[in-house]
Amino acid sequence: SQTIHQWPATLVQPVGSPLSLECTVEGTSNPNLYWYRQAAGRGLQLLFYSVGIGQISSEVPQNLSASRPQDRQFILSSKKLLLSDSGFYLCAWRRDSNEKLFFGSGTQLSVL
Amino acid sequence: GESVGLHLPTLSVQEGDNSIINCAYSNSASDYFIWYKQESGKGPQFIIDIRSNMDKRQGQRVTVLLNKTVKHLSLQIAATQPGDSAVYFCAEEEGGGNKLTFGTGTQLKVEL
Repeated sequence: SQTIHQWPATLVQPVGSPLSLECTVEGTSNPNLYWYRQAAGRGLQLLFYSVGIGQISSEVPQNLSASRPQDRQFILSSKKLLLSDSGFYLCAWRRDSNEKLFFGSGTQLSVL
Repeated sequence: GESVGLHLPTLSVQEGDNSIINCAYSNSASDYFIWYKQESGKGPQFIIDIRSNMDKRQGQRVTVLLNKTVKHLSLQIAATQPGDSAVYFCAEEEGGGNKLTFGTGTQLKVEL
């Protein structure tokens, strides 16, 4: 069966510090991978998605970047965090567009 | 731009009653829809999906209804249990697209 791992679960970072969140998927090959952000009490905002190694599509201009160095690995990064980067970050995968999307357990990021 | 919205931000039901959560969408090109359940501090959990060539689909204790004429989606939960308390999100996507757009969510509260 397929599983998705996302870490860390919680993270507290000072303003201006770098960020690296990692997500890996097991049990499938060539998945579509996604990073979403969720503000408190709000819906999910798509940040990035990838349909293959090295292929990144950005949905919202921001202080973040994404990379896919391996087939089942998706990384969300920032060189310098802003207060507005605080939120609940969710990694997700699916086999193809118009298919079920499966989410990781999320990372609660607090930028202070 | 297109949006997915929910009629009610909070729904309170008695344990054992049926729950109906509604969702309106505005993108007439959307042909894939999903319902998710999200408990506090966790990633969204897939409940059920439906494609535009169907108007009804049933799962275990859940039914999704799609009315394309009025662009309306609903999730029915039979015999609601305390464990059903969560935020429920609908999501929509265009055929061949790679951007699942989420609504803002409905908080379901089950009263004993």
